[in-house]
Amino acid sequence: DTEVTQTPKHLVMGMTNKKSLKCEQHMGHRAMYWYKQKAKKPPELMFVYSYEKLSINESVPSRFSPECPNSSLLNLHLHALQPEDSALYLCASSQVLELNSQETQYFGPGTRLLVL
Amino acid sequence: ELKVEQNPLFLSMQEGKNYTIYCNYSTTSDRLYWYRQDPGKSLESLFVLLSNGAVKQEGRLMASLDTKARLSTLHITAAVHDLSATYFCAVDKARDNAGNMLTFGGGTRLMVKP
Repeated sequence: DTEVTQTPKHLVMGMTNKKSLKCEQHMGHRAMYWYKQKAKKPPELMFVYSYEKLSINESVPSRFSPECPNSSLLNLHLHALQPEDSALYLCASSQVLELNSQETQYFGPGTRLLVL
Repeated sequence: ELKVEQNPLFLSMQEGKNYTIYCNYSTTSDRLYWYRQDPGKSLESLFVLLSNGAVKQEGRLMASLDTKARLSTLHITAAVHDLSATYFCAVDKARDNAGNMLTFGGGTRLMVKP
């Protein structure tokens, strides 16, 4: 099973709303990631969790708050977003890679977010 | 700062033709990936390349890596319409027990016409 699942698939929210995106994997991966992808652009890394601890935060605004409740789940809590935050939010997972590993990051289908 | 550049950004080609997509990166890295993304869909992993001179092939796609030149290529042989998609290369800089940071190239939008 090489599947990463994300819910919801689509989300429309106002600028005063609070919502959460969810991501789940059962591949035993201990690294999980959030990416943001704007239309016709490449994904941009937001956060990395390694062994359930936040290891990388790519200077993301505090209105995005990640959480890793256990090794299979990753959440992204959203609060007071701006219209420019509208994008496809992708979750990914991988092994915590050793130097010569051929492993890859597996991406979920994404949540398409529209902020009004 | 790691920079990854792909070219071309857009490629329209006829079925049956061959073409190459180029991916240059600015600093040494641990791994290079190629991903495919269909419109409105997620990313599908195609290849992972580790070492200098690595070459991998899957169907009509072949990827290679030259770490000295910091260049990877994705070669398409006898293109078919089903290959129409956006192709991204990504370069990986691992950190000890901290997961892996992928920096993506700008993507190459490939359109294969009958």
